[in-house]
Amino acid sequence: DAKTTQPNSMESNEEEPVHLPCNHSTISGTDYIHWYRQLPSQGPEYVIHGLTSNVNNRMASLAIAEDRKSSTLILHRATLRDAAVYYCILRVSLYNFNKFYFGSGTKLNVKP
Amino acid sequence: EAGVAQSPRYKIIEKRQSVAFWCNPISGHATLYWYQQILGQGPKLLIQFQNNGVVDDSQLPKDRFSAERLKGVDSTLKIQPAKLEDSAVYLCASRSPGGSGANVLTFGAGSRLTVL
Repeated sequence: DAKTTQPNSMESNEEEPVHLPCNHSTISGTDYIHWYRQLPSQGPEYVIHGLTSNVNNRMASLAIAEDRKSSTLILHRATLRDAAVYYCILRVSLYNFNKFYFGSGTKLNVKP
Repeated sequence: EAGVAQSPRYKIIEKRQSVAFWCNPISGHATLYWYQQILGQGPKLLIQFQNNGVVDDSQLPKDRFSAERLKGVDSTLKIQPAKLEDSAVYLCASRSPGGSGANVLTFGAGSRLTVL
């Protein structure tokens, strides 16, 4: 019951910006948008998250559409170490706990 | 801070055998998750603990999978008997408590299971 839709794969050149899209048309008002990435043979690692406003941190930026039905993860200058599977996730508040719904992810290939 | 520890990293068993995975979360993280990740797919939640109580096990195949979290710290996930379709990476994650880092999952490296 994935709640997010992402392209299967994308390709980028090293040191160029990368825009990774995600659709989450069934999002509700209290659901947070999270992004994680998974390097080969490792567990996913946190990248960024947000609710309504755009967010920036040292790893990336998150741009959230005004209607919140889509978002974009922006890597400002891709490096070879950014080659990974990027997951767009909804964090849904249910009763007294939070549930994280992973999609199928976008595999990012970075060319030197 | 130390990360989420999981063992074993790799396990190969034959179908109908049993296997157990262990997870030690980050100290102070009350919420612990077990995910199953089949090759080429995103992680799927199996079970979620809050301290030592289960808050969500709706996707856990209870006829063969079991999990426990004694004393609200370490957790074990058991499969008995294993099937071929259980071949996957089993990921453990814990969640930070409230504050600016709230609701961020930290994952272990995972335990890769191959069922022959």
